[in-house]
Amino acid sequence: EVQLVESGGGLVQPGGSLRLSCAASGFTLSSYWMHWVRQAPGKGLAWVARINLDGRITTYADSVKGRFTISRDDAKNTLYLQMNTLRAEDTAVYYCARSDPQLDYWGQGILVTVSS
Amino acid sequence: DIEMTQSPSSLSAHVGDRVTITCRASQGISNNLAWYQQKPGKAPKLLIYAASTLQSGVPSRFSGSGSGTDFTLTISSLQPEDVATYYCQKYNSAPITFGQGTRLEIK
Repeated sequence: EVQLVESGGGLVQPGGSLRLSCAASGFTLSSYWMHWVRQAPGKGLAWVARINLDGRITTYADSVKGRFTISRDDAKNTLYLQMNTLRAEDTAVYYCARSDPQLDYWGQGILVTVSS
Repeated sequence: DIEMTQSPSSLSAHVGDRVTITCRASQGISNNLAWYQQKPGKAPKLLIYAASTLQSGVPSRFSGSGSGTDFTLTISSLQPEDVATYYCQKYNSAPITFGQGTRLEIK
């Protein structure tokens, strides 16, 4: 059974950093591009970033470019999102998702709250 | 960047009704379009990909059509469990973009 489980969320002050993890199981992580998607409270879905099979090609939404870094460790079956210089508008539930290329499996989501 | 515009933004229908949601891309995207269903407090669920291919396990009352810039999601006979917000998404190139969502309720 394919499973994606996010962790690492929580409350952080503006300007702070947080690293999200997404543990994958039930499939070979190295065979898939992976994405992060977020959803601000009461709002729609917003794509954040994606990473290719070998981790060398990463693409970001303009809203996070230069502040967020997506990475992967296939040996640990884990996807990451390093979030720096966080802003109040980054407050959201963050989902990791597998790409085929449609997003066919999603994690349950993890809440990140940026507030003083 | 290609924008995805859904209509309507909300919809109310009776159980058994045929429901249609539309999605328009600001530029042609061939058939690189997916539809997702999201219930409150849950992760999105893939319903349709490649504009018209039903994801495994999704009820056959859901169908998708379109190509280029205009797409539709149809529920042939609305069921109570279909109450959710529906999103279209284009995935052929970055940035990946979603429509703003259509909230579907039962009358």
